[in-house]
Amino acid sequence: ELKVEQNPLFLSMQEGKNYTIYCNYSTTSDRLYWYRQDPGKSLESLFVLLSNGAVKQEGRLMASLDTKARLSTLHITAAVHDLSATYFCAVEAYKLVFGAGTILRVKS
Amino acid sequence: KAGVTQTPRYLIKTRGQQVTLSCSPISGHRSVSWYQQTPGQGLQFLFEYFSETQRNKGNFPGRFSGRQFSNSRSEMNVSTLELGDSALYLCASSDGLATYNEQFFGPGTRLTVL
Repeated sequence: ELKVEQNPLFLSMQEGKNYTIYCNYSTTSDRLYWYRQDPGKSLESLFVLLSNGAVKQEGRLMASLDTKARLSTLHITAAVHDLSATYFCAVEAYKLVFGAGTILRVKS
Repeated sequence: KAGVTQTPRYLIKTRGQQVTLSCSPISGHRSVSWYQQTPGQGLQFLFEYFSETQRNKGNFPGRFSGRQFSNSRSEMNVSTLELGDSALYLCASSDGLATYNEQFFGPGTRLTVL
């Protein structure tokens, strides 16, 4: 059974700092997604990663995928308060299997 | 294009009752998937419908059922509600045909069971 692990589960950062969220998964897949969720809201698609070595960037967020290591990372550069949210990675295997989520709090 | 819509947005029921949730996918999308989100279990897949047929199913009891209509709209039904069914129920739509299927999520229905 496919398992997806995210770490850390909680991240408190100062504005302006950099940090990385890690997403490990247990079986072969080359389709990985990152979502953002604000409190009480639905999931907003951030990145779709479809092949080994894929790298996507949007603003202060950059996601990458290493299918051989079964690892994806979400890198945050120079964090700002607006990035505070919960971030989920999800691996596609006829359904989406989600990680537990990383609660990100950016302090000014 | 209009996004995925779900109705109702909020629902309060009591144990033993049943409930029906509705999801309208993005126009042209033929696949609708349902997910349950709870603080304890996180996001879990319930089932997927494609062209009016259940294509995949998660590990939920038979009290959870669904259907899809010819216009791709989907409904999910939960019978004999339990306290543990309190959750945010999200539906997601995709075209269902591509090699990968990016799923677009609706705003969710928050169900509270008392």
